Amino acid sequence: KQEVTQIPAALSVPEGENLVLNCSFTDSAIYNLQWFRQDPGKGLTSLLLIQSSQREQTSGRLNASLDKSSGRSTLYIAASQPGDSATYLCAVFTGGGNKLTFGTGTQLKVEL
Amino acid sequence: NAGVTQTPKFRILKIGQSMTLQCTQDMNHNYMYWYRQDPGMGLKLIYYSVGAGITDKGEVPNGYNVSRSTTEDFPLRLELAAPSQTSVYFCASSQKPGIYEQYFGPGTRLTVT
Repeated sequence: KQEVTQIPAALSVPEGENLVLNCSFTDSAIYNLQWFRQDPGKGLTSLLLIQSSQREQTSGRLNASLDKSSGRSTLYIAASQPGDSATYLCAVFTGGGNKLTFGTGTQLKVEL
Repeated sequence: NAGVTQTPKFRILKIGQSMTLQCTQDMNHNYMYWYRQDPGMGLKLIYYSVGAGITDKGEVPNGYNVSRSTTEDFPLRLELAAPSQTSVYFCASSQKPGIYEQYFGPGTRLTVT
């Protein structure tokens, strides 16, 4: 059974700092991995999608990497801003059960 | 474009009542999903559909039912509400989940008392 873990559960950083969020998964037989952002009381916004054949994806100040063999992904946020404060979720898609398996998220706070 | 829409946004139910959570997508996606999110937990899949007329159970289907009569709509039915069904419910859709992203609706916050 696929399990997804995100460490740390919460993170507080000063504005302008570069930071890394971690995601690990137990079964490397994935199709893709998706990073989401969730603001309090809101739905999930897709940030980046990495296919299993890819090593990384970039969107603006965000860069996500994937090491499928070791079951790990990182989300790098450059020059963090208070508007980046949110919960970040990673999820892996495996064909069995046709579903995304989610981690429990990292709650990020970027302080002025 | 609206994407994935859900109604209602909030609802309070008494134990034993029934209700239907509505979900509509305008992206012509074949794949649609219902998840629930409990505090401090990851999202868990309730039911999913790979096209009109085809549905299947996810991890936590007990107490719920779904139907998919059109590509656009995927309602979730709670027949006899229980306190354990207090949660936030998200609907999602995808063109092809092994290749493309899943897009999520804004959620329905349900309380059963």
